Amino acid sequence: KNEVEQSPQNLTAQEGEFITINCSYSVGISALHWLQQHPGGGIVSLFMLSSGKKKHGRLIATINIQEKHSSLHITASHPRDSAVYICAVRSRGGSQGNLIFGKGTKLSVKP
Amino acid sequence: EPEVTQTPSHQVTQMGQEVILRCVPISNHLYFYWYRQILGQKVEFLVSFYNNEISEKSEIFDDQFSVERPDGSNFTLKIRSTKLEDSAMYFCAITLLAGVEQYFGPGTRLTVT
Repeated sequence: KNEVEQSPQNLTAQEGEFITINCSYSVGISALHWLQQHPGGGIVSLFMLSSGKKKHGRLIATINIQEKHSSLHITASHPRDSAVYICAVRSRGGSQGNLIFGKGTKLSVKP
Repeated sequence: EPEVTQTPSHQVTQMGQEVILRCVPISNHLYFYWYRQILGQKVEFLVSFYNNEISEKSEIFDDQFSVERPDGSNFTLKIRSTKLEDSAMYFCAITLLAGVEQYFGPGTRLTVT
């Protein structure tokens, strides 16, 4: 069983749409990361959360520790948002970098 | 935002050969990590390195793997005798402090033939 599950696996949206990507995890965590992987393979860190909500530009990340669930929202989506979005968690007691990764959600935003 | 480079960007090697992948953080960092991603699969943790020693490693990081920081700046991952299943994208990541975001390098694509 995967410790980090993301949904949907694939998502196609029209430019301007509001997008939500979900992440559920089964372990106790000390932090959750949202990452963006570009078609060329490079990975960019978007957010690190341990509680509540964070916002950066058109991106919003929320986490509900009790429900073991996090969401990544993209407002006013744009074709340049097309990428794979990855949720990763650091389990409680785990070292700094020992992240457990989800399989990713592939987002395609059409003009 | 801290910058991390990795060399080479792509390496092709024959099975059984040794490879060294390099990670060069531009500024001073304390925590270093290696991850790998086999094509079409999820990213997996290999090892974390702090204060010039391994702080944690995964089951994947067996005796064929080693890490070091030979000259105080470069951070290297060595695979002693490559296998076909070592073909993957290898990412280095860094953090300045504990509990903060990680910055990833662009990755090295390793192809073992």
